[in-house]
This record gives sequence, C-alpha cells and structure tokens, in this order.
Amino acid sequence: DIQMTQSPSSLSASVGDRVTITCRASQGISNYLAWFQQKPGKAPKSLIYAASSLQSGVPSKFSGSGSGTDFTLTISSLQPEDFATYYCQQYNSYPHTFGQGTKLEIK
Amino acid sequence: QVQLVQSGAEVKKPGSSVKVSCKASGGTFSSYTISWVRQAPGQGLEWMGRIIPILGIANYAQKFQGRVTITADKSTSTAYMELSSLRSEDTAVYYCARGQVNRPIDYWGQGTLVTVSS
Repeated sequence: DIQMTQSPSSLSASVGDRVTITCRASQGISNYLAWFQQKPGKAPKSLIYAASSLQSGVPSKFSGSGSGTDFTLTISSLQPEDFATYYCQQYNSYPHTFGQGTKLEIK
Repeated sequence: QVQLVQSGAEVKKPGSSVKVSCKASGGTFSSYTISWVRQAPGQGLEWMGRIIPILGIANYAQKFQGRVTITADKSTSTAYMELSSLRSEDTAVYYCARGQVNRPIDYWGQGTLVTVSS
C-alpha cells in the first residue's frame, strides 16, 4: 500500500495568513493526488484533484502543486471558515489511501 | 444538483452485520464510481473500497477483504456497503462518495453512524 504522510499534523495561524500543508507519498503517484477539507461533525468537502485542479465552486485562494511523491496545498488569506482539518488522498493505485490529516487552528 | 443520501444511524451487536445504503441523484449513476470511506471517532479518513457500477466491479482495501461487500443497483441509483463480523473497532461514521474512473471523489454523502456495542 502507498503511505501518505502529511506535515505538519497541526498548525496554528491567524486570519489573513497564508499557509502551506505538505503531503508525501511513499512511492511515486504521478499527479493522482486530491485534497479535502473537513469541519467538525460534517462530511468532507472536495477541494482539489490531479494535484492542482480546483473542484467546481472552490475558491482560488486554494491551490495545489506537486508531482511524483511531494505535494503541497496552499491556502492564502485565511478566513475564519478555512479553519478545519485537511486531508490528502492518492488515487494512483488501490487502496486509495489518505494522509493522517492536518488540523488548521486559529491562533 | 448532485446528492448522495445515506441511510440512517445503526446500532449493532458484535458479530453481526450492517448494510448502509447510498442513493444518488443529479447525475448518471452508471457513469460514476462510488467509494466508501469511514471515520472512527476522533480519527482520520479510511478508504474501504470502491465500485464502478457500470462494470459491477468492486475493489477493497486489504484490511477489509472478506468482511466488506460493496454493491450497486443501477435501476435505483443506489450503492450499498455491507460489513460483517462487526467488532467495537468498527464503530465509525461511514461515508459514501462519488467519483469517476480516473478522477477522485467530488461529492460526499452525509455520513451514517454505525455503533457496535453489546
């Protein structure tokens, strides 16, 4: 199985900040990488697919990059509604494993 | 718009089985994939398996092999996930989610809480 490792596991930031979350795959996955946002008690929301393409309706403040084994999710100009847990997922091969999550908290 | 509506919460005894449904609307059911993802209390997301309804083929995570069965009824645009030999560690919210063959999940169901307790 491909292991997905996110860093950091938690992150404190202020409204208006720009933050970056990293996701590393244990082997190359080309660009078959997705990002999700989850708020407490809610279903996840899909943000990005193919490492850098925004899902429909997702604001451009979210951006993704990377290929192979190393990927990043960047969120610019943080707003209160952006504080949540973020997950990466590889869909290059079965099982479609998730990272352990990064909890973004308000400072 | 796309909606995935899951069946309601379940309380099960250890050793029993549970079957969760996921009814899709707002798209051509057979054109998509349906994945099942679970989340234990306070934990992260765990991929269980995926079915391609138009092919009727399902793939499962090795961890659940032999205990999980994912099926799809094209006539009612409904997918099902059945998990057997339940144990307390299976207590979790179970999500269905829509994707495409070469694309990942784009829409999620609301989740179904399954509680396993004696």
